Amino acid sequence: QKEVEQDPGPLSVPEGAIVSLNCTYSNSAFQYFMWYRQYSRKGPELLMYTYSSGNKEDGRFTAQVDKSSKYISLFIRDSQPSDSATYLCAMKYSSASKIIFGSGTRLSIRP
Amino acid sequence: EAQVTQNPRYLITVTGKKLTVTCSQNMNHEYMSWYRQDPGLGLRQIYYSMNVEVTDKGDVPEGYKVSRKEKRNFPLILESPSPNQTSLYFCASSLGATGVTEAFFGQGTRLTVV
Repeated sequence: QKEVEQDPGPLSVPEGAIVSLNCTYSNSAFQYFMWYRQYSRKGPELLMYTYSSGNKEDGRFTAQVDKSSKYISLFIRDSQPSDSATYLCAMKYSSASKIIFGSGTRLSIRP
Repeated sequence: EAQVTQNPRYLITVTGKKLTVTCSQNMNHEYMSWYRQDPGLGLRQIYYSMNVEVTDKGDVPEGYKVSRKEKRNFPLILESPSPNQTSLYFCASSLGATGVTEAFFGQGTRLTVV
């Protein structure tokens, strides 16, 4: 079993919809939770990270961590065609540990 | 302009011929890292460095070497490349030593080993 599981999609939603992207993990020791966005033929970009549990909001993006369920989510409000990309979740055990990624979810926003 | 620069962007080489992929950042970042990306496997961390002369193994370090002799540079060395190292490689840097703040990625190096 992989440490971090992510549904590869593709996920297709109409413009303006709320998008929910999710990852599950197996090790409760993870403390840092990150979301990256990657456009086709480009390098990833870090969207946001959360330390431990709780929510974090940045504009149209909200990251949630539920440590009791070992489940993290990224919500995108008022989705735009420019949000079409692959979204990768990632996690770290501690400040000094390696980063472990999910396999990514391909998202398409239909105009 | 803040950036992470990788070279070369594309490389085709033969099995066993040593190669180096360079990575340089101009942001005075503490943290630097190398990743490989393969279809269906997502992004996997190869090595990372939290500061000069400090490096550590990521998820898939076998067959790779790194060094961090100065803050701005973090080269990836393949001593004896094999076809299973054919992949898309990314270098990244980050402001904080944890690697999760203000992370920047390079444009990628597509390596083919025949």
